[in-house]
Amino acid sequence: QKEVEQDPGPLSVPEGAIVSLNCTYSNSAFQYFMWYRQYSRKGPELLMYTYSSGNKEDGRFTAQVDKSSKYISLFIRDSQPSDSATYLCAMSYDRGSTLGRLYFGRGTQLTVWP
Amino acid sequence: ETGVTQTPRHLVMGMTNKKSLKCEQHLGHNAMYWYKQSAKKPLELMFVYSLEERVENNSVPSRFSPECPNSSHLFLHLHTLQPEDSALYLCASSQGAGESDTQYFGPGTRLTVL
Repeated sequence: QKEVEQDPGPLSVPEGAIVSLNCTYSNSAFQYFMWYRQYSRKGPELLMYTYSSGNKEDGRFTAQVDKSSKYISLFIRDSQPSDSATYLCAMSYDRGSTLGRLYFGRGTQLTVWP
Repeated sequence: ETGVTQTPRHLVMGMTNKKSLKCEQHLGHNAMYWYKQSAKKPLELMFVYSLEERVENNSVPSRFSPECPNSSHLFLHLHTLQPEDSALYLCASSQGAGESDTQYFGPGTRLTVL
């Protein structure tokens, strides 16, 4: 079983739609959860960062973590064509060392059409 | 220049060639990383350097050889590669190499091995 599972899509929605992106994971030790956005021909850029469970909101973006279900989500409200990108979930856990290892999902390709 | 830069952006090489990828970070960070991104697969961590010392080598074949001469520069030396090594190679940096340190990515080098 992979550490992090993410449906690669593609996902295509009209402008203004609410988008829901999700990842599941198997390692209950994960504590840090991130969403990266990657535009075509660019490197990933950090979008949201959450520690442990709960919700975090930043503008049109909301990240949710449900550790009991080992499930994380990213919601995009009022989606825009500029949101078209690949969204990668990533997570890490405290290994009691200084080595930061991120575990990534495969990424979900999102297209928002006008 | 700002952030994390990578050169070249595109590279085509034969299996017998020797080439090097270069990464430079302008963020004053102490940790640098090489990742491999293949189509439909999660990002694969290859190497981690913290304060110019290699702290993780993630079972990468010896045909990939990293070098970190100082905390701002990271190289990936390539020799006798295979066609399956064709991928996007991403460099990242972070303040420290801990689990909670945000990693900032460069734009990547698109490598094609013929």
